[in-house]
Amino acid sequence: ETGVTQTPRHLVMGMTNKKSLKCEQHLGHNAMYWYKQSAKKPLELMFVYSLEERVENNSVPSRFSPECPNSSHLFLHLHTLQPEDSALYLCASSQSWSVTYEQYFGPGTRLTVT
Amino acid sequence: QKEVEQNSGPLSVPEGAIASLNCTYSDRGSQSFFWYRQYSGKSPELIMFIYSNGDKEDGRFTAQLNKASQYVSLLIRDSQPSDSATYLCAVTRSARQLTFGSGTQLTVLP
Repeated sequence: ETGVTQTPRHLVMGMTNKKSLKCEQHLGHNAMYWYKQSAKKPLELMFVYSLEERVENNSVPSRFSPECPNSSHLFLHLHTLQPEDSALYLCASSQSWSVTYEQYFGPGTRLTVT
Repeated sequence: QKEVEQNSGPLSVPEGAIASLNCTYSDRGSQSFFWYRQYSGKSPELIMFIYSNGDKEDGRFTAQLNKASQYVSLLIRDSQPSDSATYLCAVTRSARQLTFGSGTQLTVLP
């Protein structure tokens, strides 16, 4: 595997379900990000992790819970989601968070909440 | 005012022409500027980044930055149908966080 990978690629879940999205980066980067992309809207930054420490949380509802067990892996735990949470969820990584470096994206998870 | 503004398009150009994509930003303290390409149903792919005023060329792509006017553009020379995608402009508000525009949809007509 190379670059940034995400699983699953597609997910359909009910509002009472609990599921998790997984991201893995094979680039040796120290920062990882979760973004939400809804139709016709800009990419929205949700969370930033730097060296496994959460450094940004952009007013994301508590039904989204991130976890970063090490610098290569990032999870997004989902529970009691709403239909408006349906979107493409993108993981990205960069060399460092403290200095601006370009970010590289994974293929995304297309989430549908029914 | 949006932090990063792009014309949503669609922008259509004939094959072989120059496509010009524009982006304006509101934060004068912005330091780094990125262009991403996103094909339908795919994730964003980094094309270019630029930090200093002026032009930066990479193959058929040229990024232009004018910090005084708070304006960054992307020129695609000899446009190909495979260039048809949505182009996202991203700007750092601080040293650490990218803010994205909504993107411009480009169609290159054969």
